[in-house]
Order: sequence, then structure tokens, then C-alpha cells
Amino acid sequence: EIVLTQSPAILSLSPGERATLSCRASQSVSSNYLVWYQQKPGQAPTLVIYGTSRRPTGFPERFSGSGSGTDFTLTISRLEPEDFAVYFCHHYGSSRTFGQGTRVEIK
Amino acid sequence: EVQLVESGGGFIQPGGSLRLSCAASGFTFNTYNMNWVRQAPGKGLEWVADISGDGTSIFYADSVKGRFTISRDNDKNSLYLEMNSLRDEDTAVYFCARDRGIIVVPFPFYFGVDVWGQGTTVIVSS
Repeated sequence: EIVLTQSPAILSLSPGERATLSCRASQSVSSNYLVWYQQKPGQAPTLVIYGTSRRPTGFPERFSGSGSGTDFTLTISRLEPEDFAVYFCHHYGSSRTFGQGTRVEIK
Repeated sequence: EVQLVESGGGFIQPGGSLRLSCAASGFTFNTYNMNWVRQAPGKGLEWVADISGDGTSIFYADSVKGRFTISRDNDKNSLYLEMNSLRDEDTAVYFCARDRGIIVVPFPFYFGVDVWGQGTTVIVSS
């Protein structure tokens, strides 16, 4: 079973700063199956990135994804107030694994 | 408007059974994979089960295999999750969600879950 480990657990930043979130897989995974979700308190998740680096239509360009093999990154270039949330990486493989999440909080 | 609305959650004792439903609207239901994803209080996301558009391909997480059954009725645009032998650790918000599954052509690709329901809460406790 593939395990996804996200770091850091909590990221404390100010609006306008750059956020870099990491997702590391326990073994090499297909980048075509790597997804990121954003979740705000009391809400369902929202798709942020799919296929490692593709943004859903209409999603802000400040969100970008990269990576391959075992190491993947979600970057938010300049944090807006609405970006403070929890972010989960997910691999749609044989075990449909989620990372444990990174909370991006206001410093 | 594309919408998923879950129902059927509630308070149940360990060992009990519960059936969750998800009513879909605003899209061609039988062309999408449907999924159940849960989130225990204060915890992360856990993929529970999924079912292909025609109902022939089903996946279960190891944690629910043999206890939960996912099904769908394409005539009623509805998804279900039959939960038996419930345990304390099954306490969670259960989300209904749709995706396309793995698109094979021109190459294997996954587009992610693009629509989620608001969730229904299941509490298992004595």
C-alpha cells in the first residue's frame, strides 16, 4: 500500500507570501494520478490540482503543482485570505491513498 | 446545477447497520464513477468505496471490506452505501463524490473528484 506523507503539518504564513507544500509517496507513483484538494472548515473538499500540475478550469493561476516519482509539491505563489485552509494530496492508485494534510494558517 | 445530496446518517450503536443515500442531479449520472469518502472528526480524508458508471467495477478500502456495500441505481440517479457491523472508528462525515475514474485514451489519466456533496454524519457509539 502506498503511503503519502505531507509536510509540514502546519504552515504559518502571511497573506502575500509563498506557500510550498510537500507530498512524498512511499514508492514511485504515476504523476497522472496525483491530485490535490483544498478543504475549508465545515466544507467538502475542492479540487485544486489534478495530474500533478493541471488546474481545474477557472481555478486561480497562483496555484501550481509539480513533481514526479515520489516527490510532489503544491505551490501557492501569493497567498490570498481565502487560501488559508487544509490541503490534501491524493493518489488514485490501487489503494486510493490520501496524505494526512497540511494546514495553511495565518501567521 | 450539478448537485449531490447525501442522507441517511445518524446515531447508531456498535454492531448496528445504516444505509446512506446520495441523490444526484444536473448531470448524466451513469457516465460517472461515484465514490464515498469519509472524514473522522478532526482527521483527514479516507477513501471508502467507489463504483463505476455501469456498476460493474467496485473498490473498497481494506478498513470496510466485508462490512460495507456500495451500489447505485442509475434509473433513480442515486448512490448508496450499506454499512453493517459498524464500529466506533466508522464515526465520520461521509461525502458522496463523483469522478470520471481512470480515462484510458489517449493515456491513463485521472481528473480528480470535481463534485462533492455536503456530507452526512454517522456517529457510532454505545
